[in-house]
Amino acid sequence: AQTVTQSQPEMSVQEAETVTLSCTYDTSESDYYLFWYKQPPSRQMILVIRQEAYKQQNATENRFSVNFQKAAKSFSLKISDSQLGDAAMYFCAYRSAGGSEKLVFGKGTKLTVNP
Amino acid sequence: GEEVAQTPKHLVRGEGQKAKLYCAPIKGHSYVFWYQQVLKNEFKFLISFQNENVFDETGMPKERFSAKCLPNSPCSLEIQATKLEDSAVYFCASSQSLPGVVDYEQYFGPGTRLTVT
Repeated sequence: AQTVTQSQPEMSVQEAETVTLSCTYDTSESDYYLFWYKQPPSRQMILVIRQEAYKQQNATENRFSVNFQKAAKSFSLKISDSQLGDAAMYFCAYRSAGGSEKLVFGKGTKLTVNP
Repeated sequence: GEEVAQTPKHLVRGEGQKAKLYCAPIKGHSYVFWYQQVLKNEFKFLISFQNENVFDETGMPKERFSAKCLPNSPCSLEIQATKLEDSAVYFCASSQSLPGVVDYEQYFGPGTRLTVT
């Protein structure tokens, strides 16, 4: 079974600075997807960014980018120019390549943004 | 609709009572997933459906939990004889099935918070 590990229960960053959230995963599959979800206090799950394992290029979405290291099974999220609205829980998730497969989540990292 | 709808928003049950949660997937989506997020924030997969058929139920506690997705009705997750440990937020997510499309993003509903007292 696949597992996802987020080793940082909490992180903090100053507004306008850059922060990196860590995620490692364990799998024997070669084709899969990785995701970062943001969960603000409202509990709504918001997809931040996703990465297809077969793509070598790291995904980017505006201020959010990932560092995907397939051999090391590492998938970190970098948030640039942090904003107060980025404060939330961030979950790393794994999904097998089949479209009907469930998401496997890490335990989350609580990000605080200091003004 | 264009969003996954979940009702109710909040449900309070005494220990031993039944709880029933509902999920309306996005129109046209054929996959529905249920996840449980306990108060420590950890997510647990419960069950998934392809249309009205159970696709994966490896996460379902067998004894007290059941779920259905019937045609032309919201999907439901029912907990018989709730326990304190069932207190959690229950999320429903749906995704599409399109010929030739490999990736199907899961869209999450707002969740139902179940409090068992």
